[in-house]
Amino acid sequence: NAGVTQTPKFQVLKTGQSMTLQCAQDMNHEYMSWYRQDPGMGLRLIHYSVGAGITDQGEVPNGYNVSRSTTEDFPLRLLSAAPSQTSVYFCASSYRLHNEQFFGPGTRLTVL
Amino acid sequence: GQQVMQIPQYQHVQEGEDFTTYCNSSTTLSNIQWYKQRPGGHPVFLIQLVKSGEVKKQKRLTFQFGEAKKNSSLHITATQTTDVGTYFCAYGGSQGNLIFGKGTKLSVKP
Repeated sequence: NAGVTQTPKFQVLKTGQSMTLQCAQDMNHEYMSWYRQDPGMGLRLIHYSVGAGITDQGEVPNGYNVSRSTTEDFPLRLLSAAPSQTSVYFCASSYRLHNEQFFGPGTRLTVL
Repeated sequence: GQQVMQIPQYQHVQEGEDFTTYCNSSTTLSNIQWYKQRPGGHPVFLIQLVKSGEVKKQKRLTFQFGEAKKNSSLHITATQTTDVGTYFCAYGGSQGNLIFGKGTKLSVKP
């Protein structure tokens, strides 16, 4: 099993550009989520999904969109990148809602 | 909203010293999880506590869940350089999501 994979590992964007961060898991987990991590702020939840076709907002959803068309994939879209979105983004999955979370390696995003 | 306070924010210890981080909530928690994140890495699950007063051990790590289920602690005995990283507690939020504390960053001087 590859676990949770994320692409790309690093990305530099210009303000106003859009892009999609990819996340996939091969553990047949129902629950998937996206976090951003900033210095001193811990992990903040952006969006999460409890199953294919179902998504919900987390603590900091503005500027991000998600969709969950399959159990395996949970992409995160930045609609119009802003410098405030410079961060490290982690995707995570778990078998059930409050079970052990498996994290991907992260995407380090810089918006200029 | 429901929040946890993790203290201390930073801890610097000499190798061989003990280390403790605390996670405190103003409300009762149904369960609590602990994660470790090495520098440049991703969070890795350590343990989940569910029962009031629960104590679990993993080698030099001891995890406790308070009797009132409002606080938890992680204690490391005789720290090693491999213990370096940030330790997070996390709990199930009222909206069904998992909420993380801000973490305690541990550095160990050899």
